[in-house]
Amino acid sequence: DAKTTQPNSMESNEEEPVHLPCNHSTISGTDYIHWYRQLPSQGPEYVIHGLTSNVNNRMASLAIAEDRKSSTLILHRATLRDAAVYYCILRDLYNQGGKLIFGQGTELSVKP
Amino acid sequence: GAVVSQHPSRVICKSGTSVKIECRSLDFQATTMFWYRQFPKQSLMLMATSNEGSKATYEQGVEKDKFLINHASLTLSTLTVTSAHPEDSSFYICSAGLPRSSGAEAFFGQGTRLTVV
Repeated sequence: DAKTTQPNSMESNEEEPVHLPCNHSTISGTDYIHWYRQLPSQGPEYVIHGLTSNVNNRMASLAIAEDRKSSTLILHRATLRDAAVYYCILRDLYNQGGKLIFGQGTELSVKP
Repeated sequence: GAVVSQHPSRVICKSGTSVKIECRSLDFQATTMFWYRQFPKQSLMLMATSNEGSKATYEQGVEKDKFLINHASLTLSTLTVTSAHPEDSSFYICSAGLPRSSGAEAFFGQGTRLTVV
């Protein structure tokens, strides 16, 4: 699976938007872009995923660059409960079994 | 959404004993489950892929005789840490693979905190 690069940490203020970047310059045409987050002492939870077009769901939005070499996870209004480690992961369409390989992720802290 | 349940959530065991961790998919059948290990302040490391009805596939560097995986049914996979030592203390997390589609989301258990004393 292709590698992703994320900043180690980011800070945000409560109720402000947060833009979490992810670089994946070696992405292949069959790679989906997945985002998961992990709250302290919990298993990861799914946030959003996409292939080429921008995606929105109740948790977040995913903006994918036109060349697909980078993407941005957008939390529209950060809350204290959004403080977590956010992982950007590429998952090949033909990935047998669907395993996810985690990078270091971005630790997001939210200040009240 | 789909739910994956892990048990126990935390366990303390004596050095040299074995510990079994269960991972269940509660409302769907999972032919494949994954086991991860996470040390403090580090990311998740994939240990093995558990396949229903067949042998698990271990990642490089993971001792298959130490971390026994059994996937006897479509809703249950177990990880047994045999002859545990303090260095095996970690956060163990399972996830269930949905049908082979990279567009599908994965679901994770809540994790098991293992402390070996």
